[in-house]
Amino acid sequence: QQPVQSPQAVILREGEDAVINCSSSKALYSVHWYRQKHGEAPIFLMILLKGGEQKGHDKISASFNEKKQQSSLYLTASQLSYSGTYFCGTEETSGSRLTFGEGTQLTVNP
Amino acid sequence: ETGVTQTPRHLVMGMTNKKSLKCEQHLGHNAMYWYKQSAKKPLELMFVYSLEERVENNSVPSRFSPECPNSSHLFLHLHTLQPEDSALYLCASSQVTGGQPQHFGDGTRLSIL
Repeated sequence: QQPVQSPQAVILREGEDAVINCSSSKALYSVHWYRQKHGEAPIFLMILLKGGEQKGHDKISASFNEKKQQSSLYLTASQLSYSGTYFCGTEETSGSRLTFGEGTQLTVNP
Repeated sequence: ETGVTQTPRHLVMGMTNKKSLKCEQHLGHNAMYWYKQSAKKPLELMFVYSLEERVENNSVPSRFSPECPNSSHLFLHLHTLQPEDSALYLCASSQVTGGQPQHFGDGTRLSIL
């Protein structure tokens, strides 16, 4: 079951904050977040496992609400380098396939 | 050499040609994956290999044939492809399947004439 991401696109000015959401109709074991720049490989950002947790590094963090079957990615004080397409991927059980959302295109302008 | 390397980066082929995509990972991982990425579509999982055994075939047409000779190498053999097969094909690897980050290569941009 493909997760649903929102919004589909967001445009920010440097220094602004953004939130990207990922929701599923199924119970989840884990949520993965990746960023892909045009013409490049998707880069792993973080994994959140069931049990409800929050993770972060630098100014990018994420939360996972197991009961609501949704995760949110928080980008604070955005930098130009944050531009790209952000994908969430979900696993329903450990070892099951990783199913990706359609992506959120983030553009950070000077 | 680092990470996951895919060759070629670009490939143009006719519908009757046979070609192969190659993926090599230098991370010591035990699981490898093929994904298809089409414009305005989510990443689609095609095949999963764990310890050189295929553990998932996500209803992929038989004109795509994977091969995993060892845990570091993964191939995707192509024959009699259709125009709708034009896409970016991404290889990824992870330590094991499940709950682990996947490391992606830069992909092969495939165009079918």
